[in-house]
Amino acid sequence: DVHLVESGGGLVEPGRSLRLSCAASGSTFDNFAMHWVRQVPGKGLEWVSGISWNSGHLSYADSVNGRFTISRDNAKNSLYLQMNNLRAEDTAMYYCTQAFRSGSWSPVFASWGQGILVTVSS
Amino acid sequence: DIQMTQSPSSLSASVGDRVTITCRASQGISNSLAWFQQKPGKAPKSLIYDASNLQSGVPSRFSGSGSGTDFNLTISSLQPEDFATYYCQQCNAYPPTFGGGTQVEI
Repeated sequence: DVHLVESGGGLVEPGRSLRLSCAASGSTFDNFAMHWVRQVPGKGLEWVSGISWNSGHLSYADSVNGRFTISRDNAKNSLYLQMNNLRAEDTAMYYCTQAFRSGSWSPVFASWGQGILVTVSS
Repeated sequence: DIQMTQSPSSLSASVGDRVTITCRASQGISNSLAWFQQKPGKAPKSLIYDASNLQSGVPSRFSGSGSGTDFNLTISSLQPEDFATYYCQQCNAYPPTFGGGTQVEI
């Protein structure tokens, strides 16, 4: 099984930027699509963005489209989320998750990281 | 977007009980449905994919059923470690969407 570890979260002022990273180990990274899912504390799960194994497919939730950019570096077994123009409503725990099927763009999630908290506040 | 509606939003049960959680999609999604378990302060854990297939390592007391718009997650005999919040998620189309969650408590 892959082991996923997120980093880069913290407290940031509205309008500023933050870059999340997700490091993968223990299994093949470059064959699988990767996604970011977030959760406001005490609330439900919201898919944020996804990227296919070769970066050929990118997709974003309407709530972040135009502000967030997903990317990956298969040579470094790493996934990223560049978050610009942050808003208070972006405050959440952010999880990276790996797709279940190798080479598939279908958003079936398998392994999850432990999450990283992003707080947007002045 | 496809809306996912779970019911109930919470339920009280005892160890040994049979528990069923329902998830309804706003349009047909074939069998493209997953279930997750989440405990307080922890990441979600994948339980079931393709509506009825157990992820590796998931106990056989968990089962999933359904197709089209209506789906169930059943725990045949509730164990102490099963008290958690459960979410369904449609995998049929982007954006993938989750149900609101069902909290299973004592």
